[in-house]
Amino acid sequence: QVQLQESGPGLVKPSQTLSLTCTVSGGSISSGSYYWSWIRQPAGKGLEWIGRIYTSGSTSYNRSLKSRVTMSVDTSKNQFSLKLSSVTAADTAVYYCARDRGSYLAFDIWGQGTMVTVSS
Amino acid sequence: QSVLTQPPSVSGAPGQRVTISCTGSSSNIGAGYDVHWYQQLPGTAPKLLIYGNNNRPSGVPDRFSGSKSGTSASLAITGLQAEDEADYYCQSYDSSLSGRVFGGGTKLTVL
Repeated sequence: QVQLQESGPGLVKPSQTLSLTCTVSGGSISSGSYYWSWIRQPAGKGLEWIGRIYTSGSTSYNRSLKSRVTMSVDTSKNQFSLKLSSVTAADTAVYYCARDRGSYLAFDIWGQGTMVTVSS
Repeated sequence: QSVLTQPPSVSGAPGQRVTISCTGSSSNIGAGYDVHWYQQLPGTAPKLLIYGNNNRPSGVPDRFSGSKSGTSASLAITGLQAEDEADYYCQSYDSSLSGRVFGGGTKLTVL
């Protein structure tokens, strides 16, 4: 079955760029009409959708983060990535990647999450 | 402040029935967009529990059910069990924000 795994630095300095990668295993990232999303959760708080990407490279971002977010996909590696620029302590959170069935639909498979701390 | 409003906590004794509400507005639930529910056990990633308002993915017990009416939705859990103790989140799409939105989450305590 399809599994997702996040990877990337656990510590990022303020004002720098957070970079994470999600590797899809057990199936092709290009198969089916799926989108691929990033979602984050600050400690003790709720979930926030960051944005999504399709294998064509088409993206949609949360308006509150749009100016700082870039997503990309590498179908040859079965991976998609997140870059969040100019980070502050408020960006400290667990970051999840998830398979996204579509704009109005659910996130049906989630990665285990990776903790990213923004601190000098 | 979440776009979708959930009670911070609910509780119930084993075997009982509990419901968790999710209140939205005319730009999300009230506009007809589907509501989805996720269960997050302590220290783990969220798991899809209900999709499309009232559909259960394979493997989710039929003790869990969802409903939607007007600008609100509800998750019902019957025959409460200790392993149901978790955080529950509702999620939908908001047309004014052009994006996905979540509720603030509800912590379920099994007494």
